[in-house]
Amino acid sequence: GDSVTQMEGPVTLSEEAFLTINCTYTATGYPSLFWYVQYPGEGLQLLLKATKADDKGSNKGFEATYRKETTSFHLEKGSVQVSDSAVYFCALPYNQGGKLIFGQGTELSVKP
Amino acid sequence: DTEVTQTPKHLVMGMTNKKSLKCEQHMGHRAMYWYKQKAKKPPELMFVYSYEKLSINESVPSRFSPECPNSSLLNLHLHALQPEDSALYLCASSLTRAEKLFFGSGTQLSVL
Repeated sequence: GDSVTQMEGPVTLSEEAFLTINCTYTATGYPSLFWYVQYPGEGLQLLLKATKADDKGSNKGFEATYRKETTSFHLEKGSVQVSDSAVYFCALPYNQGGKLIFGQGTELSVKP
Repeated sequence: DTEVTQTPKHLVMGMTNKKSLKCEQHMGHRAMYWYKQKAKKPPELMFVYSYEKLSINESVPSRFSPECPNSSLLNLHLHALQPEDSALYLCASSLTRAEKLFFGSGTQLSVL
């Protein structure tokens, strides 16, 4: 069945460091792919999305490229800030939407 | 208005109590969702309403009873819960089932 695998955390970085969070997926067809972020004490927010192969989603300095050949959607940011500390979830829709399949989540902690 | 509003933010209840969680959105979305999230885990889908009709029930125990009185409101009625039901309950909405989800901040539920 469809699934999402994320790199395990927690990930601890210093401010201005480069961030990569790996995400790979297994799916029938070519679904849209999403990154959601959950800040402490809050719900999930859509960070970025890509709807087809080779699409690059970007938002708030974060980027991810939909790679069909490697079935990956890795999240990157060139220079993280303390305010980026959160849990990041990779996700894909299942059954024509209505259900999101999430990865296990990666907790990011950025130190000053 | 791009918010999904959930009330209450926190709820403590005994195993014999009856309580309700409420969710409201005014974005004209026609799909609404309940998710359950345990600490440091991804959200798990419970229910999906599409055009005010229940379209997905992920085999949720009957002690959880969803209700969608109109296109803007979604309730989750709770009765005879167990301590293991303690979790963050997230409401979400989307324009249709296939669109990106907007999440509320959640209700943190503790069952004693």
